[in-house]
Amino acid sequence: AQSVTQLDSQVPVFEEAPVELRCNYSSSVSVYLFWYVQYPNQGLQLLLKYLSGSTLVKGINGFEAEFNKSQTSFHLRKPSVHISDTAEYFCAVSEANKLIFGTGTLLAVQP
Amino acid sequence: DAGVIQSPRHEVTEMGQEVTLRCKPISGHNSLFWYRQTMMRGLELLIYFNNNVPIDDSGMPEDRFSAKMPNASFSTLKIQPSEPRDSAVYFCASRRSYGYTFGSGTRLTVV
Repeated sequence: AQSVTQLDSQVPVFEEAPVELRCNYSSSVSVYLFWYVQYPNQGLQLLLKYLSGSTLVKGINGFEAEFNKSQTSFHLRKPSVHISDTAEYFCAVSEANKLIFGTGTLLAVQP
Repeated sequence: DAGVIQSPRHEVTEMGQEVTLRCKPISGHNSLFWYRQTMMRGLELLIYFNNNVPIDDSGMPEDRFSAKMPNASFSTLKIQPSEPRDSAVYFCASRRSYGYTFGSGTRLTVV
């Protein structure tokens, strides 16, 4: 069965600094990967997804992620964060049409 | 596109009572998922439907939980009888191809 590991439960960062949120998945022949964001008391919103093609995926709100098959990683990055990026970020993998989520990383942006 | 619509947004009920959560998926989406989110267990898939047929209910915690999808535009998740440990946020999501869209969730509190 597929699994996703988000090693960092919380990442504090200052406003306008770059950030990377880490995600590793269990290996598979083919894999579809996703990043979702959850703002307080809201549902999950899709940031970006990798299905095939270019390993660098650009998403909404200035986020991007790079699919690295050799390292089984799909890290999320943003060159300059804003206070409004404070939220919980979830990495997910699709298996048999289901989304399997990691435990989430709280991005805490400080002024 | 109104998105995935869940009702109610909040539900407070007494232990032992029946609770019914409702979901209207996006028109044209052929798969529907019910997830539960708690601090302890994160996001768990409870059950999913494909073309209104339950495909995988292995995540349903107990017989107290049941889900139905009588038609392509409506699904319910019922808990009977409810217990305090069922307190969580319940999300519904619908999917077409690899586009998964989540509702805003129902926050259930069982006292």
